Amino acid sequence: DAGITQSPRHKVTETGTPVTLRCHQTENHRYMYWYRQDPGHGLRLIHYSYGVKDTDKGEVSDGYSVSRSKTEDFLLTLESATSSQTSVYFCAISMTGVSGNTIYFGEGSWLTVV
Amino acid sequence: GESVGLHLPTLSVQEGDNSIINCAYSNSASDYFIWYKQESGKGPQFIIDIRSNMDKRQGQRVTVLLNKTVKHLSLQIAATQPGDSAVYFCAEKNAGNMLTFGGGTRLMVKP
Repeated sequence: DAGITQSPRHKVTETGTPVTLRCHQTENHRYMYWYRQDPGHGLRLIHYSYGVKDTDKGEVSDGYSVSRSKTEDFLLTLESATSSQTSVYFCAISMTGVSGNTIYFGEGSWLTVV
Repeated sequence: GESVGLHLPTLSVQEGDNSIINCAYSNSASDYFIWYKQESGKGPQFIIDIRSNMDKRQGQRVTVLLNKTVKHLSLQIAATQPGDSAVYFCAEKNAGNMLTFGGGTRLMVKP
């Protein structure tokens, strides 16, 4: 258990509305990530953070913004949700293990844009 | 929650048999590899990892084999149990410190 909590776990929203997903961690990890998972595409990195106020884009960042004002919280915002953003969103943290820096995932947030 | 990866390759095994799940990775410069297990409606769960300076690493009932010559990774599960039924996927880390994930294989265990 990497101490990751995602909220909300399920959300249905209308096209054009803003949506914010929250990731909360309790173990002071420096690196945090947001991924989306879609059939046929696997897990793809949206944005990541390497510290408070330090964020960078991933592979599929268009239409998303992030903020990290505290170590424990990493927020993902869809400024104006579109149907193509219907997906499962996973927050993750990076933890140093025996072999390397392993990424551990939260339980996911299911987002449906109608 | 809904399942993802509805059109994944599927491996069907009998309970008690050994399972071998394969993964081809793309970047010869990748130096770290991870196997994940994902059950329906849940997040990916870390199973085992291996660095590129190793060929084999064993865990509890699982073994990961790395063949760098052909860029191939495999996960062996001994004495497969119904609780092993899930989607399994590999990930590789390159010099940029980012993980790239494979598409996954669905393991179905028949009782």
